[in-house]
Amino acid sequence: RKEVEQDPGPFNVPEGATVAFNCTYSNSASQSFFWYRQDCRKEPKLLMSVYSSGNEDGRFTAQLNRASQYISLLIRDSKLSDSATYLCVVNLGYGGSQGNLIFGKGTKLSVKP
Amino acid sequence: DAEITQSPRHKITETGRQVTLACHQTWNHNNMFWYRQDLGHGLRLIHYSYGVHDTNKGEVSDGYSVSRSNTEDLPLTLESAASSQTSVYFCASSESWPNTEAFFGQGTRLTVV
Repeated sequence: RKEVEQDPGPFNVPEGATVAFNCTYSNSASQSFFWYRQDCRKEPKLLMSVYSSGNEDGRFTAQLNRASQYISLLIRDSKLSDSATYLCVVNLGYGGSQGNLIFGKGTKLSVKP
Repeated sequence: DAEITQSPRHKITETGRQVTLACHQTWNHNNMFWYRQDLGHGLRLIHYSYGVHDTNKGEVSDGYSVSRSNTEDLPLTLESAASSQTSVYFCASSESWPNTEAFFGQGTRLTVV
């Protein structure tokens, strides 16, 4: 089983739609969680961290369910500029690998006019 | 402004040649990483370093080596380039745990012919 699994998509949605991405991780000892965004042919960039209490940044809401080892990202009122690949990222945070980020393969979002 | 830069951005090389990809960061981060990104695989960790003179193997380290002689640089060497190493390579850096946001370079597109 892959350490971090995501639905690869693509998700094709109209402007203004709400879209949700899901991610599961296999290591229950994982310590921290993130969503990164990657535009075509560009480097990944941090979108937001994910906390157990859930967190929101404008139109973006991230949730973590440790019991189910499940992470989600909700995008409301989608914009054309949200078109990108969204990467679910997990950090084990212990032992000799505390700095290492484990990336899912990404979910591609395409927002259409 | 602090940054992380990779060079070259594009390279074509022949099978069997030794190739070195440069990565330089001015964040003064202890952690540095090399990833490769291929269709269908997402980002996979090649090597990582948590400080000067520290290097560690990642998930796909065969055929690659790194050295860390100072804080700013982590060059990646392909000992004898193979066609299977055609990929996009990303270098990243981050502060020590728990501040694990990773900042990525713009990537190097390597083609081995």
